[in-house]
Amino acid sequence: KAGVTQTPRYLIKTRGQQVTLSCSPISGHRSVSWYQQTPGQGLQFLFEYFSETQRNKGNFPGRFSGRQFSNSRSEMNVSTLELGDSALYLCASSSSEMNTEAFFGQGTRLTVV
Amino acid sequence: GEDVEQSLFLSVREGDSSVINCTYTDSSSTYLYWYKQEPGAGLQLLTYIFSNMDMKQDQRLTVLLNKKDKHLSLRIADTQTGDSAIYFCAESFSGGYNKLIFGAGTRLAVHP
Repeated sequence: KAGVTQTPRYLIKTRGQQVTLSCSPISGHRSVSWYQQTPGQGLQFLFEYFSETQRNKGNFPGRFSGRQFSNSRSEMNVSTLELGDSALYLCASSSSEMNTEAFFGQGTRLTVV
Repeated sequence: GEDVEQSLFLSVREGDSSVINCTYTDSSSTYLYWYKQEPGAGLQLLTYIFSNMDMKQDQRLTVLLNKKDKHLSLRIADTQTGDSAIYFCAESFSGGYNKLIFGAGTRLAVHP
């Protein structure tokens, strides 16, 4: 069974640009969560989708958004990039509606210059 | 509130046991997890325990949960150099769906 796939692995963007990151969950998993990992703030929850519905959202500005498609693949978008958005963005896949194992992808390393 | 705390660094000798500790504050925690992160990689789920359990053993890993003190520990027996990594404690909680709250991570260094 293939694991969680995140693309691209690395990305360099300029301040003010926007970026879209993609996550394909484990086959059959319907829940996708996104996390931001930085040296200063650690791992912080961005949002979670289940069956195309956002069920939970972390404390991030509206520049951070996401969506989930009918095949459970998810994308997250960051608009008007700031230097502080440089981070490792991790996607997690879970099989059921709540409180089960979450399996993470390798992450997308975003650098904003 | 939601808060998970871990000590930041642990150094052990190869072959010894490692014990990584974690405390959490949310009394509605449902599951508690341990993840491992190696340099440049994502998070690898090591093990998890349901909040009404006291202990779980999985090969070299033993998880102990003291719900009264909100204290979780991960013991790694016969620690090897390949165990060198950052270990994260995380909790999920009632009403949080699949949201996880992570600690800051404990860097485990294994030396010969």
